[in-house]
Formats: sequence, structure tokens, C-alpha cells
Amino acid sequence: GENVEQHPSTLSVQEGDSAVIKCTYSDSASNYFPWYKQELGKRPQLIIDIRSNVGEKKDQRIAVTLNKTAKHFSLHITETQPEDSAVYFCAASDNDMRFGAGTRLTVKP
Amino acid sequence: DGGITQSPKYLFRKEGQNVTLSCEQNLNHDAMYWYRQDPGQGLRLIYYSQIVNDFQKGDIAEGYSVSREKKESFPLTVTSAQKNPTAFYLCASKRDTRIGEQYFGPGTRLTVT
Repeated sequence: GENVEQHPSTLSVQEGDSAVIKCTYSDSASNYFPWYKQELGKRPQLIIDIRSNVGEKKDQRIAVTLNKTAKHFSLHITETQPEDSAVYFCAASDNDMRFGAGTRLTVKP
Repeated sequence: DGGITQSPKYLFRKEGQNVTLSCEQNLNHDAMYWYRQDPGQGLRLIYYSQIVNDFQKGDIAEGYSVSREKKESFPLTVTSAQKNPTAFYLCASKRDTRIGEQYFGPGTRLTVT
């Protein structure tokens, strides 16, 4: 089955800096790659996703890149703000979805 | 918040007791999922159902059971056979079996002592 690895497990940046979170997956059949944000005590919510026929997608300060050959994808957050502080999960899906272990992002004001 | 609810928010049980967690959705979604979340381990799939009256084991199904008698409901029973049941449990749903966003419920935090 699919195995998703996510790095780093914790990330601390200064407000205004960029943050990058990386994930690798094992199943070449995976064709959908969402990113979820989970604030403390709350449910995960989708922030951006990418499908396998696209190499990059951007939504305001958030972007995701996908390298299908290398089986890795990354989340990029620019101009970080304190409200970006949360745990971020990547996932890979063909039919079933498998999640990475999460990255705790802290943005220091 | 997507029309998927879980109850209760907090649940306390004594060791050896079975407990059932509720998950309801009014999104008319075909697929429903149960995940367990432990610190530093992300979301691990327990069971999923793609259609009424059918469900499949996920990666950590041992000690859990589910039913899907109605499209909108997917309850999870944590049995006494589950060795470490204390965790945060998240239910999710998806429109159908094609790829797409999963919508999560608010979660139930189960504590077994």
C-alpha cells in the first residue's frame, strides 16, 4: 500500500519568511495530493490540492509542486503570518488516502 | 463546516468496555472514513466505506468494528480488544469513490482508563 513520508516534523520561521514542507510517496498509482491544515483541537481542513497531471498550483501565498518521476511533492508558504501556525498534513491518494505524519509550523511574530 | 458531525466531543470509558463513536453527514456523500490520530503519527486509517452496507479494513482495523446501514451514518465501535484505545478519532466523508477532497468531522477524543 501507499506510504507517505513528511519532513520536517517541526518547523519554526520568522513572520514574513517562507516555509517549505516536503513529502514523498511510494505508490506510483497515486494521482491526487492534498494538503490539510489542522489548528489545535480542530478538524483538518483542505488548503490546497494537486492532481497528477499538473506540476504546480498556486493559491495566493500557498503553492504546491509535484514531481511524479521522483514521487515527491512540496508545500510552499510565502510571507508567513502568525495565523499560519498549525500542523500541516500531506496526503497521497489513488483510491484510498494515506497521510504523512504532519509538520508543526510555528510562525514567530 | 461541511455538514459532518461527530459526537460526543469527549468520551471517557473504563478499560474493558466497548464504546461506540457516532459520525453523521448530511452531504449525501457515498464514501466515509474513520481515522485515528496520535501525537506525531498523523492520521491512520481504521475503516472505510464506499457504499451503504459495505466497508473495508484500513491499516489499523484490529480492535475496531463499523457498520454502514444508512448512507449518512458510519458509527465506529472501539472494542475491549483494542490495546491502546486512547486517541483522537476523526471521521471523514467524500462525495464518491473518485479522487477528491475528504471533509472531516470535529473529532472525538476518547480516553480509556
